[in-house]
Amino acid sequence: DAKTTQPNSMESNEEEPVHLPCNHSTISGTDYIHWYRQLPSQGPEYVIHGLTSNVNNRMASLAIAEDRKSSTLILHRATLRDAAVYYCILRDKGTSGSRLTFGEGTQLTVNP
Amino acid sequence: NAGVTQTPKFQVLKTGQSMTLQCAQDMNHNSMYWYRQDPGMGLRLIYYSASEGTTDKGEVPNGYNVSRLNKREFSLRLESAAPSQTSVYFCASREPLGTANNYGYTFGSGTRLTVV
Repeated sequence: DAKTTQPNSMESNEEEPVHLPCNHSTISGTDYIHWYRQLPSQGPEYVIHGLTSNVNNRMASLAIAEDRKSSTLILHRATLRDAAVYYCILRDKGTSGSRLTFGEGTQLTVNP
Repeated sequence: NAGVTQTPKFQVLKTGQSMTLQCAQDMNHNSMYWYRQDPGMGLRLIYYSASEGTTDKGEVPNGYNVSRLNKREFSLRLESAAPSQTSVYFCASREPLGTANNYGYTFGSGTRLTVV
């Protein structure tokens, strides 16, 4: 399975933009890039996903490098509620369906 | 509220005891998954079910069995619990392939299991 590499931790100030990087140099042509986040004591929640083009939704933006070997999750204005572990995941299409393989993610701290 | 419901939320077992973790979703999703998360680590896939009637092993299936009872329910069984199975267990489900552009997974709130 293709793997991702993320920094263990990052810090940001409230109401400032946050750029969370992810490297995936062994990504295959059909791998989607997914981002999930996990708030304390909760299950992960879907944030955004993309294949080749940049994507925007109400939660965040996803910028994908032209060679697809890296991507960046962008939170435009961080809030205290955005403090969480953020996971960058390549969707693996198994023989009977798609599976998500989680790494250790990036712990985002948001300072007031 | 629509979503993934897990029961129980907390459980303490003695070594060798058995138990079944229950998971149900009401979103008409085909695929369901069981993950475990050890302290300070990411989630690891135990078993998954791509559709009703099928199950497949994930990364760490040893010591577990699963049953896809129907489209809504996917249970995880520990036949003889061991301290190494102390973890938080998450169930998840996903929309069928080809439905709109959302390939997002919905996770339950977890079952915190301690084996002593």
